[in-house]
Amino acid sequence: AQSVTQLGSHVSVSEGALVLLRCNYSSSVPPYLFWYVQYPNQGLQLLLKYTSAATLVKGINGFEAEFKKSETSFHLTKPSAHMSDAAEYFCASFTGGFKTIFGAGTRLFVKA
Amino acid sequence: GAGVSQSPRYKVAKRGQDVALRCDPISGHVSLFWYQQALGQGPEFLTYFQNEAQLDKSGLPSDRFFAERPEGSVSTLKIQRTQQEDSAVYLCASSPRPGGPGGEQYFGPGTRLTVT
Repeated sequence: AQSVTQLGSHVSVSEGALVLLRCNYSSSVPPYLFWYVQYPNQGLQLLLKYTSAATLVKGINGFEAEFKKSETSFHLTKPSAHMSDAAEYFCASFTGGFKTIFGAGTRLFVKA
Repeated sequence: GAGVSQSPRYKVAKRGQDVALRCDPISGHVSLFWYQQALGQGPEFLTYFQNEAQLDKSGLPSDRFFAERPEGSVSTLKIQRTQQEDSAVYLCASSPRPGGPGGEQYFGPGTRLTVT
């Protein structure tokens, strides 16, 4: 069965520091993988997606993620955190049909 | 242009009441998805429409949940005889592509349902 695990429900970084949000997936077939961001009282917004092309995917707002099949991982990174990056981040997987599977989310706090 | 809108944004229902949640997708979007997001969790798939056809309702938790999209645009999620465990944020998403969400989904802000 398909599943997505996000390690760490809360991550805190200082402004200007590296952001690393971890995501591992479990799937019997190659998945499409996504990262979404959710700001308070807003809908989820797509940051980036992996669809079996380049393994390093660049998204909006300076975020990127690398698909590593050997590690079944799709971690999200940003070299330098900004206060405006504080939000909840969701990793998601799709392997066919109509159902996207989401992780439980990681809340990112950015300290001044 | 306008994004996905949902109404009401907040709904408080007494246990046993029926509720109806509305989703207005982006104009022209073929695909429409409903998700349930419990507190502290990620969204969980409920159902999928391609135009007016409900092609997947495997995520609906019970027969108290019913969704429709009669004209292939606006969709309504109805919950009958609400229970406390139905308290959650209900998210709607639309996509211009038919079929599964291999591409981008555009999410609405959600309806927060609280059952007392």
